[in-house]
Amino acid sequence: DTAVSQTPKYLVTQMGNDKSIKCEQNLGHDTMYWYKQDSKKFLKIMFSYNNKELIINETVPNRFSPKSPDKAHLNLHINSLELGDSAVYFCASSQATGYSGAYEQYFGPGTRLTVT
Amino acid sequence: KQEVTQIPAALSVPEGENLVLNCSFTDSAIYNLQWFRQDPGKGLTSLLLIQSSQREQTSGRLNASLDKSSGRSTLYIAASQPGDSATYLCAKTNAGNMLTFGGGTRLMVKP
Repeated sequence: DTAVSQTPKYLVTQMGNDKSIKCEQNLGHDTMYWYKQDSKKFLKIMFSYNNKELIINETVPNRFSPKSPDKAHLNLHINSLELGDSAVYFCASSQATGYSGAYEQYFGPGTRLTVT
Repeated sequence: KQEVTQIPAALSVPEGENLVLNCSFTDSAIYNLQWFRQDPGKGLTSLLLIQSSQREQTSGRLNASLDKSSGRSTLYIAASQPGDSATYLCAKTNAGNMLTFGGGTRLMVKP
């Protein structure tokens, strides 16, 4: 009955490979997010996505792309992995976003990506 | 430029002490402010969310306040326990509901 789940929990891969991280939420939320936590433990937003709009943080390289097969899933695809991509990636979800307000976000357990 | 700053970066207190964690932000046009707890190697657990129209929220031994005009939020933990040891993160929400996090405060409560 996990609210936001991610797979895999750990991912070790070599430079240049392409990999995906999966995220699923069973909260019925409309919006999902990806965050990156670097080696200094600093968390930064990467994407916000609902079925109408994708908002991308301008600092995110275009090697990263979110893919949403349905409202409950938002997968993160990473092409041509680099050493600097090593981090913990967190998925989150919330009710629909809106400029009139904001909603509590619920986070997954994280995926630790190590690029060698 | 750091939009959200948390002070102190680390804090160690004896069990039972009341403590305050500080969060400051540079843009007063926030939608809400959320406090999280992160245990080592784990995800984030939402503790409290304060809407921009509110001044404070309480949950058990936790109380969070928000002062938009001064760009500050505080998390007050009463009667701290060893189980409170974790990293506490504050995050502000902008349009689009995306969170901007502070660097966190690592709290250690000693028995």
